[in-house]
Amino acid sequence: EVQLVESGGGLVKPGGSLRLSCAASGFTFRSYSMNWVRQAPGKGLEWVASISTSSSYTYYADSVKGRFTISRDNAKNSLYLEMTSLRAEDTAVYYCARDYNDYDILDSFDVWGQGTLVTVSS
Amino acid sequence: EIVMTQSPATLSVSPGERATLSCRASQSVNYNLGWYQQKPGQAPRLLIYSASTRVTGIPARFSGSGSGTEFTLTISGLQSEDFAVYYCQQYNNWPPAFGPGTKVDIK
Repeated sequence: EVQLVESGGGLVKPGGSLRLSCAASGFTFRSYSMNWVRQAPGKGLEWVASISTSSSYTYYADSVKGRFTISRDNAKNSLYLEMTSLRAEDTAVYYCARDYNDYDILDSFDVWGQGTLVTVSS
Repeated sequence: EIVMTQSPATLSVSPGERATLSCRASQSVNYNLGWYQQKPGQAPRLLIYSASTRVTGIPARFSGSGSGTEFTLTISGLQSEDFAVYYCQQYNNWPPAFGPGTKVDIK
């Protein structure tokens, strides 16, 4: 079964840091570009970051550029999001998501994890 | 940056009826448009990609159309499990962008 499982969310103070992980299984992880998408409570979906198959290319939303870092370890079938200088407005459920196609980095997202909640509050 | 808009914000439909959801892009996205369904407490689910191609396993009552800047998701014969929020997403240009969503609820 194709699956993504996020972990690492929790409560953090403003200015703090957190590292999210996403464990992939059931597909050839190294062949797909991967993404993080977030959803603030009661709000819509916001793309956060994307990474190419070999980590050669990374892209970020302006709202997180310079504060968040996306990375992957193909040997461990894992995707990461390092978040620093966290703000209240970063509070959201963070989803990892797979690109639909295995040949492009800009794509729709066909496999999603269940999400992990990050709460930034003092 | 491409901005996506969706209308209406809320659509009240009776079971068995047809729902028509609209999505507009601030500039052309060609056919690089996806539709997602999200139910409360669940992750989004991809329904349609390339504006009109159903993902394997998605019922035929879901259909997508359009190109350029105007897109439509049609749900024919709404079933109870279809009441949810629907998002469109463009992936023609960086950054990929989602619309604000249309909530389909029971009339």
